[in-house]
Amino acid sequence: KNQVEQSPQSLIILEGKNCTLQCNYTVSPFSNLRWYKQDTGRGPVSLTIMTFSENTKSNGRYTATLDADTKQSSLHITASQLSDSASYICVVSASGGADGLTFGKGTHLIIQP
Amino acid sequence: ETGVTQTPRHLVMGMTNKKSLKCEQHLGHNAMYWYKQSAKKPLELMFVYSLEERVENNSVPSRFSPECPNSSHLFLHLHTLQPEDSALYLCASSQEGGRPSGRLYEQYFGPGTRLTVT
Repeated sequence: KNQVEQSPQSLIILEGKNCTLQCNYTVSPFSNLRWYKQDTGRGPVSLTIMTFSENTKSNGRYTATLDADTKQSSLHITASQLSDSASYICVVSASGGADGLTFGKGTHLIIQP
Repeated sequence: ETGVTQTPRHLVMGMTNKKSLKCEQHLGHNAMYWYKQSAKKPLELMFVYSLEERVENNSVPSRFSPECPNSSHLFLHLHTLQPEDSALYLCASSQEGGRPSGRLYEQYFGPGTRLTVT
């Protein structure tokens, strides 16, 4: 069964600090992996999409890594800001359409001043 | 703000009521989706419409009835819901739907409708 596991479930850090969120998956076949940011009361917004051949991808202060051999991904946030407080969702796409998407439960990140 | 809007943003309904959720996308996409997001659970795909035809129905109870009159609008009709149906209902759209084998397609989500069934 295709699964996406994220850790930690929740995280609290001080403003300005860095943090790393983890995503492990058992999805086959593999097409791509996405990280979404979901603010409270809003829909998810895409941060990065990575294919099998990509090891790292950055979007501003967000850097995602992918190890397709170990089926692990991480999202690193540098110099956190209060606006980074949100849920971060890892989504893995099997080869196919929207029905091939497997969502993680997300990591709830809180940035404290 | 994304190009996907949803109304209403909040809805409280009794178990015997009938209501509808509306989604509109202004991105020129040809596929639209309904998702259910419950607390501490992953997003659950409910329905997929591609080119106005339903291509996916993930064993959703018949008390949820989707309608896609054109590629820009998507409705979710609700009737005789249960308290466990309380959740955030998210609409999304993308340029390709159905089964674009291995291709990257970006999904754009609306803000969601927070539904409470009493």
